[in-house]
Amino acid sequence: GAVVSQHPSRVICKSGTSVKIECRSLDFQATTMFWYRQFPKKSLMLMATSNEGSKATYEQGVEKDKFLINHASLTLSTLTVTSAHPEDSSFYICSATSAVKGADTQYFGPGTRLTVL
Amino acid sequence: GQNIDQPTEMTATEGAIVQINCTYQTSGFNGLFWYQQHAGEAPTFLSYNVLDGLEEKGRFSSFLSRSKGYSYLLLKELQMKDSASYLCAVRFSGGYQKVTFGTGTKLQVIP
Repeated sequence: GAVVSQHPSRVICKSGTSVKIECRSLDFQATTMFWYRQFPKKSLMLMATSNEGSKATYEQGVEKDKFLINHASLTLSTLTVTSAHPEDSSFYICSATSAVKGADTQYFGPGTRLTVL
Repeated sequence: GQNIDQPTEMTATEGAIVQINCTYQTSGFNGLFWYQQHAGEAPTFLSYNVLDGLEEKGRFSSFLSRSKGYSYLLLKELQMKDSASYLCAVRFSGGYQKVTFGTGTKLQVIP
């Protein structure tokens, strides 16, 4: 149990376009989902925390109008990178926690590698 | 701040034991996690410590000293597949269960 999926796993887009990344909890309801980005050989940087049915809480320095997060249901959160630029190229990873499964542990999705040309 | 420090890289021999240390600022501490991350993949959960002491789980053990702001991950009987980055992550009080990740320790296991 505790499987989290992400789609797509890899995306290449042109500068100026928008990209949507989906994060799904497959076998549990996720009360909270987190979005991270990771640069090569660096650790995970938390971008935002998203709770179902409410606005996401963004970390300092993360532009909420550029990285749109929607947590429409207890099994789905989406991250949309708007007007993407080459500097947005990164590995984006989501994680989910569940009050039922024990809110202490985050279960990670497999990640989405975004390349902006 | 919430500085979490780990060594950047370590090398160990197959079959040996290796200890990966993590230090953090103690103010607001509310739990510590260890994750394993292979290159290009998402992190996978290894252990969780919130009380002082050693938690053993097969070949992996994790230790915590809250007063010292110190934890270590101990890997026994190293296997080649253990070559990966090991991330220490700390939850600080302040809501939403969010955690702060250390920079990670890249472990290379050699024959």
